[in-house]
Amino acid sequence: QQQVKQSPQSLIVQKGGISIINCAYENTAFDYFPWYQQFPGKGPALLIAIRPDVSEKKEGRFTISFNKSAKQFSLHIMDSQPGDSATYFCAASGNSGNTPLVFGKGTRLSVIA
Amino acid sequence: KAGVTQTPRYLIKTRGQQVTLSCSPISGHRSVSWYQQTPGQGLQFLFEYFSETQRNKGNFPGRFSGRQFSNSRSEMNVSTLELGDSALYLCASSLGGPGNQPQHFGDGTRLSIL
Repeated sequence: QQQVKQSPQSLIVQKGGISIINCAYENTAFDYFPWYQQFPGKGPALLIAIRPDVSEKKEGRFTISFNKSAKQFSLHIMDSQPGDSATYFCAASGNSGNTPLVFGKGTRLSVIA
Repeated sequence: KAGVTQTPRYLIKTRGQQVTLSCSPISGHRSVSWYQQTPGQGLQFLFEYFSETQRNKGNFPGRFSGRQFSNSRSEMNVSTLELGDSALYLCASSLGGPGNQPQHFGDGTRLSIL
């Protein structure tokens, strides 16, 4: 049973455009929602994370939007650059850290000039 | 500060063999988690160790095991290897204290089973 559903599987965005990746979850015990970025041959790198007490968190060009009632959260990449081309994973964990991270299946983002 | 180090980076084994992978966490991190990454299943949690004790375990067969040493370094072992064990094995470390702590990943060990 997939606990975190991520879409789309792949995404092509023009340079300077906005990339949007969506995730949905079922487990209401989840209370921590990180996003990871992975380049080929590398491990996932933590990009940004949010907790359910806020609806939005912004770090540079990356923004997480969180909708607790809909059990959805999304990553927005503003002014997308070719260097942002990577695979992005959303994840969730719960019970204040006592349960492991559950990952979405990933979104392969390609930013074209 | 050095990141998470995994060794070896690449490994080729044959069916039936066993393998041991190593992970050195970020200095000061006491929690180490292991994940299996495949194109079909994505990132799946194997187990987590904190202060030399297994704190969480994923849904993998008993052929997959791990341990953590007093210096927080961790090893995972897979016995009686099967073709389906071919994957990227990732280790992540975190402080491990109360609350959700950010996990930092190594670059993984690519295991290929022939």
